[in-house]
Amino acid sequence: GDSVTQTEGQVALSEEDFLTIHCNYSASGYPTLFWYVQYPGEGPQLLFRASRDKEKGSSRGFEATYDKGTTSFHLRKASVQESDSAVYYCALSPSNTGYQNFYFGKGTSLTVIP
Amino acid sequence: EAAVTQSPRNKVTVTGGNVTLSCRQTNSHNYMYWYRQDTGHGLRLIHYSYGAGNLQIGDVPDGYKATRTTQEDFFLLLELASPSQTSLYFCASSPGGCAETLYFGSGTRLTVL
Repeated sequence: GDSVTQTEGQVALSEEDFLTIHCNYSASGYPTLFWYVQYPGEGPQLLFRASRDKEKGSSRGFEATYDKGTTSFHLRKASVQESDSAVYYCALSPSNTGYQNFYFGKGTSLTVIP
Repeated sequence: EAAVTQSPRNKVTVTGGNVTLSCRQTNSHNYMYWYRQDTGHGLRLIHYSYGAGNLQIGDVPDGYKATRTTQEDFFLLLELASPSQTSLYFCASSPGGCAETLYFGSGTRLTVL
């Protein structure tokens, strides 16, 4: 079945460090891939999404590129700030269903130390 | 701006208790969802609906009922609450169709003693 795997459960970085959170997916066809961010005390909110192979999504300095060859959608940011501390979820929406469904990874908790 | 409002924000009940979590969206979205969030599991889908009167079973439905009374309102019911249902619950809405964005509420933290 369709699924999303996030490798890192928790990440701790210092300000201005480079961030990578790995996301790999399993799905047929061309699912839409998402990154959501959840700040403390809030619900998740969309960071960005991508629907086609090689498409790059980006927002707030974060970016990820849809790679069908490696079935990946890794999240990267060149220089993290304390305000980026949050939980990040990778998700997919299958392309071959007649209804709306989503599959979420288990989330990655990012702590940025000032 | 999409708006999804959940109530209550916090709820404490006892084992065997009866709990209703409420969700209202003012986006005119067709789809509404109930998720639970637990450490190590991420977000798991309990039930969802694509319109008033409709209910679809999600991935972790056991022990939960849900009802969509109107386009705006979606309720999650725990009729015999158990400690395993202690969790953070999120409601979300989306326009529907493929690849649409989910809009989440701020969550309800439920504790079952």
